[in-house]
Amino acid sequence: GENVEQHPSTLSVQEGDSAVIKCTYSDSASNYFPWYKQELGKRPQLIIDIRSNVGEKKDQRIAVTLNKTAKHFSLHITETQPEDSAVYFCAARNSGNTPLVFGKGTRLSVIA
Amino acid sequence: EAEVAQSPRYKITEKSQAVAFWCDPISGHATLYWYRQILGQGPELLVQFQDESVVDDSQLPKDRFSAERLKGVDSTLKIQPAELGDSAMYLCASSLGGGDGYTFGSGTRLTVV
Repeated sequence: GENVEQHPSTLSVQEGDSAVIKCTYSDSASNYFPWYKQELGKRPQLIIDIRSNVGEKKDQRIAVTLNKTAKHFSLHITETQPEDSAVYFCAARNSGNTPLVFGKGTRLSVIA
Repeated sequence: EAEVAQSPRYKITEKSQAVAFWCDPISGHATLYWYRQILGQGPELLVQFQDESVVDDSQLPKDRFSAERLKGVDSTLKIQPAELGDSAMYLCASSLGGGDGYTFGSGTRLTVV
């Protein structure tokens, strides 16, 4: 089955700097890669996703890139703000109605 | 915005007792998932339903866990007997199916003492 590795487990950045979180997946048939943000005590919320037919997707300060050959995808947050502090999870799934497989998460701290 | 409803939000139970969690997905969402999230880790799938049918329960500890979605709408996850290692957040999620992202509920935080 699919296996998703996520790095780093913790990340501290100064406010205004960029943050990058990286994930690798094992199943070359995977074609959908969402990112979730989970604030303390709250539910995970989808912030951006990408499908295997595109290499990059951007939404304001957040972007995701996908390298199918290397089987890795990354979340980029620019101009970080204190409210970006949270745990971020990547996930992957292959075709059909298979469930998402999540990485172990990255705790991002944005220092004002 | 439509939400996935879960109850209770918090549950404390003694080991060896039975405990049950309830989830009501977004209306029209055929696919429902139960995930367990241990503190500091990512969600791990317990069971997936498509309408009232179980699609994947390969990671569900069936000696103590059971899940049902009798009418293909809301769902119940039960643990009997609870063990200390079951302490975790239990998240329910739903989707239209066909590859879109999930909407998660707020979860039930279970503490077994």
